[in-house]
Amino acid sequence: QKEVEQDPGPLSVPEGAIVSLNCTYSNSAFQYFMWYRQYSRKGPELLMYTYSSGNKEDGRFTAQVDKSSKYISLFIRDSQPSDSATYLCAMRSSGANSKLTFGKGITLSVRP
Amino acid sequence: KAGVTQTPRYLIKTRGQQVTLSCSPISGHRSVSWYQQTPGQGLQFLFEYFSETQRNKGNFPGRFSGRQFSNSRSEMNVSTLELGDSALYLCASSLSAGGPLGEQYFGPGTRLTVT
Repeated sequence: QKEVEQDPGPLSVPEGAIVSLNCTYSNSAFQYFMWYRQYSRKGPELLMYTYSSGNKEDGRFTAQVDKSSKYISLFIRDSQPSDSATYLCAMRSSGANSKLTFGKGITLSVRP
Repeated sequence: KAGVTQTPRYLIKTRGQQVTLSCSPISGHRSVSWYQQTPGQGLQFLFEYFSETQRNKGNFPGRFSGRQFSNSRSEMNVSTLELGDSALYLCASSLSAGGPLGEQYFGPGTRLTVT
């Protein structure tokens, strides 16, 4: 079993839809959880960064972490065509030498 | 504040050659990590440097190596290139190598094509 599993997609939604992106993980030591957005031919851009369980909101984006279920989600409200990109979840433990482990990413397309 | 910069942005090399890629982190960031991104494998961790010391290493052969300089700039080297090394190589910097200040910011990447 891979340490981090992400829905493979691709995902296509109409403009204005609520988008839910999810990842599951197997390593209970993971403490820090991130979502990155990657546009075509660009490097990943950090969207959300959360520690442990709970919710974090930033504009149209909400990140949710459920450590008991080893499940994280990113919600995008009122999706826009400019949200069309690949979204990657990433996570790591709290140790100073811990490495960031990524999901494979899901490509989202928001249709005008 | 300037972001992470990587040079060159594009590179074409022949099998058997070697290549050196460069990364300049965000000012004040002391940790630099390198990743290989391919459509089939996604983002795979290569290694991380903090204060000129390699702190962590992924599962790549010894042909892949790196180093970090006193100004936190980093280079990675791939020797004896193989066709399978064609990928986007990404560099990410962070304030620290872990803990609450360990969130990573990525550069635009170097697209390496091996023919």
